[in-house]
Amino acid sequence: GQQLNQSPQSMFIQEGEDVSMNCTSSSIFNTWLWYKQDPGEGPVLLIALYKAGELTSNGRLTAQFGITRKDSFLNISASIPSDVGIYFCAGRYGGTSYGKLTFGQGTILTVHP
Amino acid sequence: KAGVTQTPRYLIKTRGQQVTLSCSPISGHRSVSWYQQTPGQGLQFLFEYFSETQRNKGNFPGRFSGRQFSNSRSEMNVSTLELGDSALYLCASSLGQGVSGGYTFGSGTRLTVV
Repeated sequence: GQQLNQSPQSMFIQEGEDVSMNCTSSSIFNTWLWYKQDPGEGPVLLIALYKAGELTSNGRLTAQFGITRKDSFLNISASIPSDVGIYFCAGRYGGTSYGKLTFGQGTILTVHP
Repeated sequence: KAGVTQTPRYLIKTRGQQVTLSCSPISGHRSVSWYQQTPGQGLQFLFEYFSETQRNKGNFPGRFSGRQFSNSRSEMNVSTLELGDSALYLCASSLGQGVSGGYTFGSGTRLTVV
């Protein structure tokens, strides 16, 4: 099935470092969402973006909706051990797409104390 | 406010059997979407229901079906199970109308087909 191109696939960082990951698509999305998933659990919504160019923060997390509407990035500042997990971007087309989200392949984040 | 509840959490079935999974959305949410998550294919959209009607459908065979009840609870059914159907099945609920509003996921049902 169609998926977004999410990079990097994995990251190994030291506690305190900043992290950046991004997603690109060949198609335009009207909504970009960023989720975090812990083992054995469902994805948890971190940030939702609804307008091109929008920059939104949630604590140490910052995400932006690209101007072209075909990309988005997520930054995590001053990482801590509990940031470990898999991060997914998801896009939603407009119109009648409603509950249909297209997901990236995920970025596995490992934080070394 | 209770989250999205999926039952059962774990399930083991034999090839050829059928299975029914349940999802109770957040109170007030009228849309329920279902996703299949596997290591190889990632998160793939199955279908979405709103007010008891299927509104969107992904690219899965007809063995995968679903329904939604008047209280917004949803079930998905997989008939004639195959080994490749082993996956984490997730449902997500949302208000279902308008642009804004995130999609809240349940913890999923881990289905193993042997």
